Amino acid sequence: EAGVTQFPSHSVIEKGQTVTLRCDPISGHDNLYWYRRVMGKEIKFLLHFVKESKQDESGMPNNRFLAERTGGTYSTLKVQPAELEDSGVYFCASSHPRRGGRDEQYFGPGTRLTVT
Amino acid sequence: AQSVTQPDIHITVSEGASLELRCNYSYGATPYLFWYVQSPGQGLQLLLKYFSGDTLVQGIKGFEAEFKRSQSSFNLRKPSVHWSDAAEYFCAVGAPEYGNKLVFGAGTILRVKS
Repeated sequence: EAGVTQFPSHSVIEKGQTVTLRCDPISGHDNLYWYRRVMGKEIKFLLHFVKESKQDESGMPNNRFLAERTGGTYSTLKVQPAELEDSGVYFCASSHPRRGGRDEQYFGPGTRLTVT
Repeated sequence: AQSVTQPDIHITVSEGASLELRCNYSYGATPYLFWYVQSPGQGLQLLLKYFSGDTLVQGIKGFEAEFKRSQSSFNLRKPSVHWSDAAEYFCAVGAPEYGNKLVFGAGTILRVKS
């Protein structure tokens, strides 16, 4: 079974440019999460999809970030326009819903975003 | 709101020595607890989890963790560390009423000296 994959692994862009990160969850996983780790800080939740619907986007920093999940499969996270403070590692995770919420989230390798 | 504290940013142990990584959480009820490991260049790998029941849980790679409700702790242990255990370790808390989003500690970087 393939794990969670993320593309690209690294991205270097200039301030003001646009970047789109992609996540392919494990097949059959309805839950998809985005997290971010800014240098020297904790890994923080950004948002949660259940299939194609946004269940919780309380962690999205501002309206420069837009996440989509087309057809409940892969997800994209677009940053437009990028700012210096957006630099960090963006992780995607997926899980299969379990009774009582006892989900195990499987993480991808992350995309390291550097904004210069 | 949930929070997780990993008080040790760096820990160095000798190969073959025992290891304990500390994790304390703040949450009103019994949360779901996780330990993840990130090796250089890799993603986060789930080491073990606690949902309920036996408070001593076994994980992969010879790791175990003990949930202590009275201390709000979920410390990770390994009796004998191998050089390949050098990595960054994250404790995380989740709860169904929060949609299972995970709240992470700051991480502990483990160095293993030979």
